Amino acid sequence: SQQGEEDPQALSIQEGENATMNCSYKTSINNLQWYRQNSGRGLVHLILIRSNEREKHSGRLRVTLDTSKKSSSLLITASRAADTASYFCATDAGGNNRLAFGKGNQVVVIP
Amino acid sequence: GAVVSQHPSWVICKSGTSVKIECRSLDFQATTMFWYRQFPKQSLMLMATSNEGSKATYEQGVEKDKFLINHASLTLSTLTVTSAHPEDSSFYICSAPLLVGDTQYFGPGTRLTVL
Repeated sequence: SQQGEEDPQALSIQEGENATMNCSYKTSINNLQWYRQNSGRGLVHLILIRSNEREKHSGRLRVTLDTSKKSSSLLITASRAADTASYFCATDAGGNNRLAFGKGNQVVVIP
Repeated sequence: GAVVSQHPSWVICKSGTSVKIECRSLDFQATTMFWYRQFPKQSLMLMATSNEGSKATYEQGVEKDKFLINHASLTLSTLTVTSAHPEDSSFYICSAPLLVGDTQYFGPGTRLTVL
């Protein structure tokens, strides 16, 4: 199965700055999803973007998808201390909900 | 939004014992649920797909006799770690989608520590 991969793995920013994370994958996909995980907790769904979509917004979040490059980015604008978490991309290749997760990005927002 | 719960949230057991973890969809029916394992500072790895009323589908490298999955109703899937050993210590997370090919809702996870 494919595996999403994010870089950079760790990001430390000041409150109010923007944070950008990237994710790449190896095979064609049905959709790509971004999740947030606070330390030792479950995952919170952020955005799902389908293979025929190029960009999606949700509040302060912006996700792009480039299927020709097999990559996606997550932008968090005007970051807050509460955004401190790990962020994972996950790909659904077959549209059957079997997700392959990337390595994750640790984001620390300094107040 | 849809809610998925897990029980217990943490468990400590002795080596050789079996541990059962429950995953429930609280406000929706889930014909399919998924079980993941996450080691410290690592990503989630899909272990198996739990299918209501039929056998689970295991990912390559996951021992089906070691990790028994039962999906007896549309709102409950259980994962039993049989004869647990210290290397089975991990964070186990389940998820369930509302619709096929759509958003998944994750449980809060169960931290298993095997002594």
